[in-house]
Amino acid sequence: AQSVTQPDIHITVSEGASLELRCNYSYGATPYLFWYVQSPGQGLQLLLKYFSGDTLVQGIKGFEAEFKRSQSSFNLRKPSVHWSDAAEYFCAVGRGIRKGGSQGNLIFGKGTKLSVKP
Amino acid sequence: ETGVTQTPRHLVMGMTNKKSLKCEQHLGHNAMYWYKQSAKKPLELMFVYSLEERVENNSVPSRFSPECPNSSHLFLHLHTLQPEDSALYLCASSQEVVVTYEQYFGPGTRLTVT
Repeated sequence: AQSVTQPDIHITVSEGASLELRCNYSYGATPYLFWYVQSPGQGLQLLLKYFSGDTLVQGIKGFEAEFKRSQSSFNLRKPSVHWSDAAEYFCAVGRGIRKGGSQGNLIFGKGTKLSVKP
Repeated sequence: ETGVTQTPRHLVMGMTNKKSLKCEQHLGHNAMYWYKQSAKKPLELMFVYSLEERVENNSVPSRFSPECPNSSHLFLHLHTLQPEDSALYLCASSQEVVVTYEQYFGPGTRLTVT
């Protein structure tokens, strides 16, 4: 069965420092991978996604993620964190692309809460 | 209104009450979703609708009853809930029920069952 593991529940970084959030997935086929961000009181917003091709993908707000098949990982990175990046981050894997049924659904990790120190 | 809206934003209900959550998407999408977000648990998909037809029901208790009267509106009818049903309920929409289409989320309804 597909699953997503985010090993870090809570991370604190200083403003201006670099950030890496870890994500490991379990999926039998080529995965469709996503990172979402949830600010307090808000719904989830898509940061970036990987379907195929270049394993380093760029997203919004200066984030990037690298797909490593050998490690079953899709870690999220940002070179310099801003205070406004404080939020909860969710990694997700998609189950397929055929229309209907469970083929279009996402499996989410438990999330990593990011705090930013001034 | 733009994007995906949800009402109410907060709801407190007793175990014997009946209430409904409403979701509306202004994006022209064909697919809509209900998710449950509980503390310390992954986001759980509850229901999926494609063009008003339910295509997924992830073993959700019958005390949750979804309704999709058209592709822009989605309801979640609640009755005789349990305290463990307290959670943030998120609605989302996408162009189609295909994983390559981005899901757009509403801000959620924070439900407390007393």
